[in-house]
Amino acid sequence: DAGVIQSPRHEVTEMGQEVTLRCKPISGHNSLFWYRQTMMRGLELLIYFNNNVPIDDSGMPEDRFSAKMPNASFSTLKIQPSEPRDSAVYFCASSRYSGGHNEQFFGPGTRLTVL
Amino acid sequence: DAKTTQPPSMDCAEGRAANLPCNHSTISGNEYVYWYRQIHSQGPQYIIHGLKNNETNEMASLIITEDRKSSTLILPHATLRDTAVYYCIVHNNAGNMLTFGGGTRLMVKP
Repeated sequence: DAGVIQSPRHEVTEMGQEVTLRCKPISGHNSLFWYRQTMMRGLELLIYFNNNVPIDDSGMPEDRFSAKMPNASFSTLKIQPSEPRDSAVYFCASSRYSGGHNEQFFGPGTRLTVL
Repeated sequence: DAKTTQPPSMDCAEGRAANLPCNHSTISGNEYVYWYRQIHSQGPQYIIHGLKNNETNEMASLIITEDRKSSTLILPHATLRDTAVYYCIVHNNAGNMLTFGGGTRLMVKP
């Protein structure tokens, strides 16, 4: 298996532009997570899905952030409009959740820079 | 999930055992101790987890005290590639969320 795939790996954009980050989870996994990592705040969970349904989005910073999971093999995290403080590394992770141990497998991340 | 406390940084000599401590004094009976690590510029990686008993796998050993209020992750023969941030997480397997704290930055030196 190729693991969790994220694209793009690097994104540089200007303030006010729309940014879309993409994630393909590991085949057969039914849970998907979006995290953000910064030096100041560490690794934060933004939102997660079980069986394509958003379960907890309490970590989403504000309405400028939205996430979708239209099917089991694809998810997007959109920021519109983007701001310099959104600059961070965004990780997607997936797991096979069955109510017990659920190892999360992380993708390589997308490094976002908003100028 | 219970909160964990880890030292911010540690050093270890290459080839020696690295012992990374974690305090979780408010852990409840149904919460597991998980360890993940994050090598620079990569996503976190699962290492090991346990409930009460000590656990060992190909990567590490996990020692949990009898009262479960603390644990130690042991890398038996640390290599330079083990340089990373190590996260101790206490998690109730009934849920799906992991909460990452600050972790311990382990530096393995030649």
